[in-house]
Amino acid sequence: GAVVSQHPSWVICKSGTSVKIECRSLDFQATTMFWYRQFPKQSLMLMATSNEGSKATYEQGVEKDKFLINHASLTLSTLTVTSAHPEDSSFYICSARARASQVGTDTQYFGPGTRLTVL
Amino acid sequence: QQPVQSPQAVILREGEDAVINCSSSKALYSVHWYRQKHGEAPVFLMILLKGGEQKGHDKISASFNEKKQQSSLYLTASQLSYSGTYFCGTDETGANNLFFGTGTRLTVIP
Repeated sequence: GAVVSQHPSWVICKSGTSVKIECRSLDFQATTMFWYRQFPKQSLMLMATSNEGSKATYEQGVEKDKFLINHASLTLSTLTVTSAHPEDSSFYICSARARASQVGTDTQYFGPGTRLTVL
Repeated sequence: QQPVQSPQAVILREGEDAVINCSSSKALYSVHWYRQKHGEAPVFLMILLKGGEQKGHDKISASFNEKKQQSSLYLTASQLSYSGTYFCGTDETGANNLFFGTGTRLTVIP
């Protein structure tokens, strides 16, 4: 399957600072990447869809000025949490759309996630 | 839009079977199944496309009934490594924008 990496794996920051999370597709080009947020023991909540070369599409209730997404290349999307607060603490996971082998259709391959803790 | 999964949690002994259901209120183009271990990212298991697909790999199989807007994941002769939370992701348009279900926590004990 396709490999997606995220960096950093975890980050602890002080309230009011900004944090950038990188999502890379390692062995394929991804025109579309997705950013999710997951609280403990809960499902994945889609935050935004990131398209290479264009503005991200945000889900209802997600502040685009707080969660800045930049999909600068076919292998890299970044999520910047601006002026982070303790309520932003969560597990952030990106995924990239890729062709699923032997199926002939696309699915999403997930990165390992980034755990953000805001003090 | 978020599909509903059942059961919410299940505990099995090694070798037992389990069924996890995913139900949507919307017509579906495809259903994607993932398994997530604690603290890790979800891992892709399989996709089922509309048309009444059934498929499997090793001892994990799934079916998709598009008329009922439901999919089921079957785990046969469960192994300890099957433990984790299983999510279904539903695609309503074919654009691969997935809505993930509520999750089913599966625990396999010796």
